[in-house]
Amino acid sequence: SQKIEQNSEALNIQEGKTATLTCNYTNYSPAYLQWYRQDPGRGPVFLLLIRENEKEKRKERLKVTFDTTLKQSLFHITASQPADSATYLCALDGGHGQNFVFGPGTRLSVLP
Amino acid sequence: GAVVSQHPSWVICKSGTSVKIECRSLDFQATTMFWYRQFPKQSLMLMATSNEGSKATYEQGVEKDKFLINHASLTLSTLTVTSAHPEDSSFYICSARLAGVPEQYFGPGTRLTVT
Repeated sequence: SQKIEQNSEALNIQEGKTATLTCNYTNYSPAYLQWYRQDPGRGPVFLLLIRENEKEKRKERLKVTFDTTLKQSLFHITASQPADSATYLCALDGGHGQNFVFGPGTRLSVLP
Repeated sequence: GAVVSQHPSWVICKSGTSVKIECRSLDFQATTMFWYRQFPKQSLMLMATSNEGSKATYEQGVEKDKFLINHASLTLSTLTVTSAHPEDSSFYICSARLAGVPEQYFGPGTRLTVT
């Protein structure tokens, strides 16, 4: 069956450092991989999407890589700030709304 | 752009009653809407996918007679929890997607508490 893992349930880093979150999956061939941010008691907010034929995507301080051979995506936040503290979810999308599955999330805390 | 609203934001109901939650795309037409449920400290679990004008597709293990979904227009989907029980207490979140665009835009969620 499909399985998605995110490197750790919680991650603490110091302000200004780069946060790196990992998403690994098995038994899946996603057309897209997406990253979302969720704050407590709120719905997720879309951050970035990367296609299966793309290696890297950037948006401001965010960078996503996608390795379909390793079945892994890395999500980086550079120059992290306390406001970046949230839960980050990766999601696999089979395309055309098929088999859209969220990972368990990583709770990031950026310490001042 | 791409704003999704939900109403109500929280609701408390008695066991055995029904509750309706509305999900609206405010500034775009959503060909597909999704309903999720999230328990504390867990990730989102997809309950069903609905396309405007057609019956919803439910995920395995989700009772379609208990969780009624109506996608009446391109901007409105409703989820009705029928004969609610305390174990239905959860955070229900909807999302909407534009045609041909893979990312989903989420509503703020509805906290349901069944007493």
